[in-house]
Amino acid sequence: AQTVTQSQPEMSVQEAETVTLSCTYDTSENNYYLFWYKQPPSRQMILVIRQEAYKQQNATENRFSVNFQKAAKSFSLKISDSQLGDTAMYFCALYAPIIYKYIFGTGTRLKVLA
Amino acid sequence: GAGVSQSPSNKVTEKGKDVELRCDPISGHTALYWYRQSLGQGLEFLIYFQGNSAPDKSGLPSDRFSAERTGGSVSTLTIQRTQQEDSAVYLCASSSAGSYTYEQYFGPGTRLTVT
Repeated sequence: AQTVTQSQPEMSVQEAETVTLSCTYDTSENNYYLFWYKQPPSRQMILVIRQEAYKQQNATENRFSVNFQKAAKSFSLKISDSQLGDTAMYFCALYAPIIYKYIFGTGTRLKVLA
Repeated sequence: GAGVSQSPSNKVTEKGKDVELRCDPISGHTALYWYRQSLGQGLEFLIYFQGNSAPDKSGLPSDRFSAERTGGSVSTLTIQRTQQEDSAVYLCASSSAGSYTYEQYFGPGTRLTVT
């Protein structure tokens, strides 16, 4: 079975500071992909960053980067220079092509404080 | 180009009534997914379409829920005899089978309230 766990229901960070959101997962597949999606109050889910499991290098997208620890099955998201617009729910997700199904964590609600 | 669209944006219905939720995926996307997001919860997988066929209906919570997809495009999720526990946001997402990024593109969701 595939599982994704986000153990931080809520977090807050001061504007311009750095915050890290945690995610752990479990899968028996070798070929899989990991994602972080953002859901602002508008409900529109937006892809933040993606990591291919076969790549050792951590993915980065501007202020967003991941710490992918494959052996530990950990996939944390670091947001640098936090902005008020980063306030949202963040979901970690796992996709294995062989099961064609995305497994989502329960989300972390992040609030950026002015 | 246009993204995934869903209609209606919000739906209030009385317990026992049937509702239909619509999803228009991105043109050319062969894979389509329906999810349910209850208040404060993550995304619960409901059903997956590849083209017009649904190889996985395992997430549908009861036989009151059904979905179809026609022409490899528009999909409709139908909930019969709605119950209060059906109140949630229903999200649709599509992806391209030819893409190796496996990114899903989400619609804005339909908020269903059963009174």
